[in-house]
Amino acid sequence: QSALTQPASMSGSPGQSITISCTGTTSDFGIYNYVSWYQQHPDKAPKLIIYGVNNRPSGVSNRFSGSKSGDTASLTISGLQAEDEADYYCSSYTSSVTYVFGPGTKVTVL
Amino acid sequence: EVQLVESGGGVAQPGGSLRLSCAASGFTFTNHWMSWVRQAPGKGLEWVAQIKQDGSQKNYVDSLRGRFTISRDNAKNSVYLQMNSLRVEDTAVYYCARGGPGTWTDWGQGTLLTVSS
Repeated sequence: QSALTQPASMSGSPGQSITISCTGTTSDFGIYNYVSWYQQHPDKAPKLIIYGVNNRPSGVSNRFSGSKSGDTASLTISGLQAEDEADYYCSSYTSSVTYVFGPGTKVTVL
Repeated sequence: EVQLVESGGGVAQPGGSLRLSCAASGFTFTNHWMSWVRQAPGKGLEWVAQIKQDGSQKNYVDSLRGRFTISRDNAKNSVYLQMNSLRVEDTAVYYCARGGPGTWTDWGQGTLLTVSS
């Protein structure tokens, strides 16, 4: 069982915004800011879209943004596009020098 | 262009061993942590292990420590995952990823390991 929880699925229409939550179930999550988000299309490798809570790698659309408040990190996708349909995973550092992924959220563009 | 190419997957028997390899190119290998992440069929991602630039620090997910060993050969720009005492539940696509701690900037295409009798 993951130490991070995410909604199993979310959906939105093109142009809308959606926010995916990632909640830590241990006290460690609230302390560290090593939260990253990954996008994975079917049968493809994951792609880093947010790191360090709210930083975007070069080349990633500014429609993706991250934030964190207390025990919950969030990924917001603005101006939803068909190509955003994918699975999204959050990840976080834990105090035992290990890392954990959330169970993933399947985003459907209606 | 960063390239990470995994190899070594295939079919293994329960209790057996296998070593995965990841050949890196397009960046200065010795400047980066390297990690392995796996994904069971139809399931989510699971971080497996990471290794520091000079190999002096290795970290593992608790559930695999003792069975899996990560290593690297900086002269060959390669990282490895030795897997022993394989179990059916180790069946997964294994991805090599550049980066750490906790920020994996580049990923290989993955190599599938199937553990079955």
